[in-house]
Amino acid sequence: SQKIEQNSEALNIQEGKTATLTCNYTNYSPAYLQWYRQDPGRGPVFLLLIRENEKEKRKERLKVTFDTTLKQSLFHITASQPADSATYLCALGGFGRRALTFGSGTRLQVQP
Amino acid sequence: GAGVSQSPRYKVTKRGQDVALRCDPISGHVSLYWYRQALGQGPEFLTYFNYEAQQDKSGLPNDRFSAERPEGSISTLTIQRTEQRDSAMYRCASSSQTNTYNEQFFGPGTRLTVL
Repeated sequence: SQKIEQNSEALNIQEGKTATLTCNYTNYSPAYLQWYRQDPGRGPVFLLLIRENEKEKRKERLKVTFDTTLKQSLFHITASQPADSATYLCALGGFGRRALTFGSGTRLQVQP
Repeated sequence: GAGVSQSPRYKVTKRGQDVALRCDPISGHVSLYWYRQALGQGPEFLTYFNYEAQQDKSGLPNDRFSAERPEGSISTLTIQRTEQRDSAMYRCASSSQTNTYNEQFFGPGTRLTVL
């Protein structure tokens, strides 16, 4: 069955450092992958999308890579700030199917 | 409205009762999705609509769950004969086009507790 794995342990880093979050998947051939941010008590908020034929996408301090051979996406936040502290979810979408399949998320804590 | 709204925000019901959860998407958004999210987990797909047509209901757990969007705007997710295992956060999301890659905008959710 399809499986998406994100590190369930919280990632703690120091302000100013680069945070790197991992999303691995199995038994899936996604057409695209999205990253969302979720704060406590709130719904997920879309951050970035990367298509299966793209290797890398950037938006301000955010960078996403997508390796369909390794079946892995990496999500980087450079020059991290305490305000970046949240749970980050990856979500996969299939060809011709609009439903997203989400991972369980990784909680990021940026220490001042 | 400015974003996706859901009501009620909290619903406590007794086992065996029916509940109806409402979603009001962003004005003009064609696609509407329902997800269920357990604590510490990501959202789990239930069903989605393009306009008023239910395009995919493969995520609905069983026939006690149903959804409708009769006029292509507001949607209602109904759970009949609720069970304790139905307790969860139910989230609605909408997107602006039928384009495959569109980002989804999520509402604040309805926290359902079945006693």
